[in-house]
Amino acid sequence: DQQVKQNSPSLSVQEGRISILNCDYTNSMFDYFLWYKKYPAEGPTFLISISSIKDKNEDGRFTVFLNKSAKHLSLHIVPSQPGDSAVYFCAASVGGTASKLTFGTGTRLQVTL
Amino acid sequence: NAGVTQTPKFQVLKTGQSMTLQCAQDMNHNSMYWYRQDPGMGLRLIYYSASEGTTDKGEVPNGYNVSRLNKREFSLRLESAAPSQTSVYFCASSSPSIWGADTQYFGPGTRLTVL
Repeated sequence: DQQVKQNSPSLSVQEGRISILNCDYTNSMFDYFLWYKKYPAEGPTFLISISSIKDKNEDGRFTVFLNKSAKHLSLHIVPSQPGDSAVYFCAASVGGTASKLTFGTGTRLQVTL
Repeated sequence: NAGVTQTPKFQVLKTGQSMTLQCAQDMNHNSMYWYRQDPGMGLRLIYYSASEGTTDKGEVPNGYNVSRLNKREFSLRLESAAPSQTSVYFCASSSPSIWGADTQYFGPGTRLTVL
């Protein structure tokens, strides 16, 4: 039972354009959501998070949107840069902290010149 | 400040052999975690330790044991390795943050192959 789903295994975007990565969840108890970025042969690194009391959180080029009624969140990257090419994982937890994360399967983003 | 370190980086085992994956963090975090990542799947939690002296099972604990040696170190042991345990293993640590976003910090991973 996949509680966090990333239905797009891959995404290709031109440099300078917007990248939109999507994530759906089924567990209504999740109240804290995170996005991680992973380069090959490295561990995941934290990008941005959002609490369920918010519907948007912004950090530089990265914005996460949360739609609780649809159990959907998205990560927007504007403008996309070649260095953004990586696998992006959505993760969720219960209790408002980054404890016991449940991860999605990841979306591979390729930013082309 | 090295963050989360893992040893070894790579390991090849034969079926039935045992080994211990080591993890250490220097961020004074209370909680530590072990995940495995397989192709086409996200990271799956094997075991976690909310604080020194405590450990709990995650989603996929079968075939593994853990030890929270002290606040810094959390090891993962495979007593009798099986080919199904071929995977990349990640250790992570966290502590709730009141200043910034709460998050888990990950080590670089151990790539394990069981023949």
